[in-house]
Amino acid sequence: GAVVSQHPSRVICKSGTSVKIECRSLDFQATTMFWYRQFPKQSLMLMATSNEGSKATYEQGVEKDKFLINHASLTLSTLTVTSAHPEDSSFYICSARNEGANGYTFGSGTRLTVV
Amino acid sequence: AQSVTQLGSHVSVSEGALVLLRCNYSSSVPPYLFWYVQYPNQGLQLLLKYTSAATLVKGINGFEAEFKKSETSFHLTKPSAHMSDAAEYFCAVRSGANSKLTFGKGITLSVRP
Repeated sequence: GAVVSQHPSRVICKSGTSVKIECRSLDFQATTMFWYRQFPKQSLMLMATSNEGSKATYEQGVEKDKFLINHASLTLSTLTVTSAHPEDSSFYICSARNEGANGYTFGSGTRLTVV
Repeated sequence: AQSVTQLGSHVSVSEGALVLLRCNYSSSVPPYLFWYVQYPNQGLQLLLKYTSAATLVKGINGFEAEFKKSETSFHLTKPSAHMSDAAEYFCAVRSGANSKLTFGKGITLSVRP
């Protein structure tokens, strides 16, 4: 079946540094990918929609300059958390739209801890 | 606009008992509906989806859900709960050309021995 690989699964970084999270569709091409943030015991909050070859569409309230999204190929989207602060600590999940299967495949998530 | 309502935050059942997790949706156009399961510190795994074919949808791990347009519902059921079913469950809707998924707030399923 369709697989989305997300790396790293866990990362701890110092306040003020940047962290890049990768999301790859392994066996299908994903024109559209999505980035979510999930707080403990809460639902997924959509941060942005990433379209291959064009600028990402950010949800209201999400800082574009802080959460940089790049979708340079049909199988790879990256989320860079710039100048991370402790309040950015969270669980970040990507998903790729699998148009052939009329569905969405999710990555395994990245636990970001900013100290 | 589309939305999903999952009432309650926690359901507890005994092993072997029926599992019923409720989901109601709001959509201005015929929706696609999804149920996902999430285990701790993991991503979401698709249980099943409704995409305007059969209204009774069978998924993995013995789960099924029935799309009821008149009730705007897509409740998830499993005849006999297993300990391994303990997890967080999310209902989601996608409607129209908008490819975004809108999630419910999720519900935690506990299974008692």
